[in-house]
This record gives sequence, structure tokens and C-alpha cells, in this order.
Amino acid sequence: AQSVAQPEDQVNVAEGNPLTVKCTYSVSGNPYLFWYVQYPNRGLQFLLKYITGDNLVKGSYGFEAEFNKSQTSFHLKKPSALVSDSALYFCAVRDYGQNFVFGPGTRLSVLP
Amino acid sequence: DAGVTQSPTHLIKTRGQQVTLRCSPKSGHDTVSWYQQALGQGPQFIFQYYEEEERQRGNFPDRFSGHQFPNYSSELNVNALLLGDSALYLCASSNPGTNNEQFFGPGTRLTVL
Repeated sequence: AQSVAQPEDQVNVAEGNPLTVKCTYSVSGNPYLFWYVQYPNRGLQFLLKYITGDNLVKGSYGFEAEFNKSQTSFHLKKPSALVSDSALYFCAVRDYGQNFVFGPGTRLSVLP
Repeated sequence: DAGVTQSPTHLIKTRGQQVTLRCSPKSGHDTVSWYQQALGQGPQFIFQYYEEEERQRGNFPDRFSGHQFPNYSSELNVNALLLGDSALYLCASSNPGTNNEQFFGPGTRLTVL
């Protein structure tokens, strides 16, 4: 069975500093990995995905993620955090039926 | 393009009642998936509909059922509601041609009292 872990419930970072939100996964076969963001009372918004190719994936709003096969990780990163980045972030792996197995989420707080 | 739309936005029911939630997929999408997101948790896959049939199902009881219409819109029905069914219900649409990405609606927040 496929699974996703997000080891941090909460990440706090000062505005302007780099941020990292961690994700590790367990899949059989090649992983299809995604990051979504959720703002209060909103649905999920797509940030980026890794299917194949370059291990560094660039996505929306200046976010990027690094796929590391040996460590089975797909950490989300941004060089300079904004207060408006404060939200709930979900890592997900897509299963064979094209549906998602989500991690529990990490709440990011960017402090001014 | 209106994206994925869901109705209603909020709903309050009592235990034992039945509820129907609705979803209209993004234009050009023919596949609809439903997820349950309990408070403080990640979304959990309920089922997926394609060509008006349930194609895949997650670990949810038979009280959860669905339907897809010829225009690709979908309904989620939950019978005999339990307090634990209180959650945000998310609909996502996709197109097998894109094969990679699901677009999510804003969700319906169901509260069971």
C-alpha cells in the first residue's frame, strides 16, 4: 500500500527566510508525487508535481520540490517565504487508479 | 472556465439522516473523485466515477454511495449519518488524457449533530 508521511505538524518561519516542508513516501513502483496547498475554507490548490525527469521540480508561487529516490523524500521548498504563504500543505502520491493518497498535512506559519 | 463547483457550501444534519452533495467537474473533465477531509487530517479517497460507473473505491462503508450523470456531474450520498461523518467533502475532476492532475472544488462542509 502506498503511504505519505509529513513528519512536522507545524512549521514556523520568518518572512524572507527560506522554508522547507518535509514529505516522505512509500510506494511500489515509480512514484507520482504532488504538493497541494489549502487556505482556510478553501479546496486544495495544485502547487507542483513530479512524474519523471529532473529531480528539482518548479511549481506555482515560487515553490519548488526536490525528489530524492534514495531517501524516498519529496520536500517542498521556497527561497524566501511570504506571510501569504501561511496555509496547510499536503503532500500526496498518486495511485494506479489516478487517485491520491494524502499525507496528514503540515501547517506553515510565516511570521512578519 | 468555472472550475470544479460544489453545492451546497455548508450543510447541517442530524444523526440518522441522509445527505446528498453535488459536484460539477471542470470543463472538459469526465472523471470525478470524492474525498473526505476530517478536521485536522488529510483528505481520504472515497470513490471515483467514470462513464457513469464507480471505477474505484476507498475504505468507506456502503452508507456512502454515488452517482455520475451523462453531463459528468456527480452526487455523493451518505445514509444513516453518524457524528463521525462530519467533515469537509471534496470533489476533484480529471481527464484521463492529462493523466496526472486532479482539480479540486472548494468543498462542502457537513456537520452532523
